Amino acid sequence: GAVVSQHPSWVICKSGTSVKIECRSLDFQATTMFWYRQFPKQSLMLMATSNEGSKATYEQGVEKDKFLINHASLTLSTLTVTSAHPEDSSFYICSARGGLKGSGYTFGSGTRLTVV
Amino acid sequence: AQKITQTQPGMFVQEKEAVTLDCTYDTSDPSYGLFWYKQPSSGEMIFLIYQGSYDQQNATEGRYSLNFQKARKSANLVISASQLGDSAMYFCAMRVHAGGTSYGKLTFGQGTILTVHP
Repeated sequence: GAVVSQHPSWVICKSGTSVKIECRSLDFQATTMFWYRQFPKQSLMLMATSNEGSKATYEQGVEKDKFLINHASLTLSTLTVTSAHPEDSSFYICSARGGLKGSGYTFGSGTRLTVV
Repeated sequence: AQKITQTQPGMFVQEKEAVTLDCTYDTSDPSYGLFWYKQPSSGEMIFLIYQGSYDQQNATEGRYSLNFQKARKSANLVISASQLGDSAMYFCAMRVHAGGTSYGKLTFGQGTILTVHP
């Protein structure tokens, strides 16, 4: 099987603070991790692609200084929302290439971020 | 560039009936993959079914089948014998096999909210 553990599942933070979201592949090596953002009742929008040991590739319009992605090992990728503001409130979900299910994609369970 | 379109924001179906969720796509890459995911209110993404562009037969997985019409660039999901637990948001997604730094990324459609009535 394949499991990606995403933490925290939900977080409330004050405006101006930073929040770190972790995605950890538990039983396989995730060489590539995709980070998505989703607003209520909308589609998943790809924010960035991270490959282990290299800089992330950000999609057009995504602020790389605001959404810091680190993929330091084959089992851990993190997304840090820096200086969060209410408009950053959203559902963030990661997806790893690899594993035996989902035709090669394993999703984390998502993180609901609320910035107050 | 690739594009996925789901034109049904919401669909309703009676329990035990079949329902078809529409998906059309556009890509110039001859090699691609099409996916369907279910997203319940909890937010998790549940993989349902996959169709490769070179697959000769339509994919089936239990109650789910994919009506793949390559010439029309459509990949509709058919759910047979709907259950109350099928109520969720459904996404069609495409992966192209071109290279580059975002190799293998999935592009998602807008989603369809399915409601199953008892």
